[in-house]
Amino acid sequence: DVKVTQSSRYLVKRTGEKVFLECVQDMDHENMFWYRQDPGLGLRLIYFSYDVKMKEKGDIPEGYSVSREKKERFSLILESASTNQTSMYLCASSFGWSSGINQPQHFGDGTRLSIL
Amino acid sequence: KNQVEQSPQSLIILEGKNCTLQCNYTVSPFSNLRWYKQDTGRGPVSLTIMTFSENTKSNGRYTATLDADTKQSSLHITASQLSDSASYICVVMVGPNAGKSTFGDGTTLTVKP
Repeated sequence: DVKVTQSSRYLVKRTGEKVFLECVQDMDHENMFWYRQDPGLGLRLIYFSYDVKMKEKGDIPEGYSVSREKKERFSLILESASTNQTSMYLCASSFGWSSGINQPQHFGDGTRLSIL
Repeated sequence: KNQVEQSPQSLIILEGKNCTLQCNYTVSPFSNLRWYKQDTGRGPVSLTIMTFSENTKSNGRYTATLDADTKQSSLHITASQLSDSASYICVVMVGPNAGKSTFGDGTTLTVKP
């Protein structure tokens, strides 16, 4: 079974802190994604990576950056945390374009981040 | 603007009953439509993926339908179980870029004994 592991289930940080969320997948997937999930807004894509060191901005990249130095690991960074970044963060992975576009995404169980 | 609308927002049914969840979309160009199940406190899990040419796809007691002409999809759950209580999310992929998908807000299903 595919496993997508997010480093923390719950995290509490203070405004202005630099926050790192880590995600690791064990299926050699090319694609990795970071989403945030808020009530009434569905899942919104923050950043997407289709290969090591490659990234694309999603719908809401402001205030975030990402790092993908190894294929299995994708990190989300909140440069200076703010209260409006309190949310559930979900990481996902999938096979790349060469495997066909009809590939399911596999999600981690999320990190519930609170910024105080 | 690409949009995915799901209805109803929430639904309560008795164990053993059937139910149908709806998904309407205005997405172009269409690549595929996915249904995910998300249990409380967990990440979404893929149920079905349908392309333009597929009308129906089943996964156990879950059957998804797609009408590409009217841009509507439904997810039918047969003989519901308590474990079906979850949020069901409809997602439409836009074009060939895996990073381009539009998510619905989900339907929260509660199955009561």
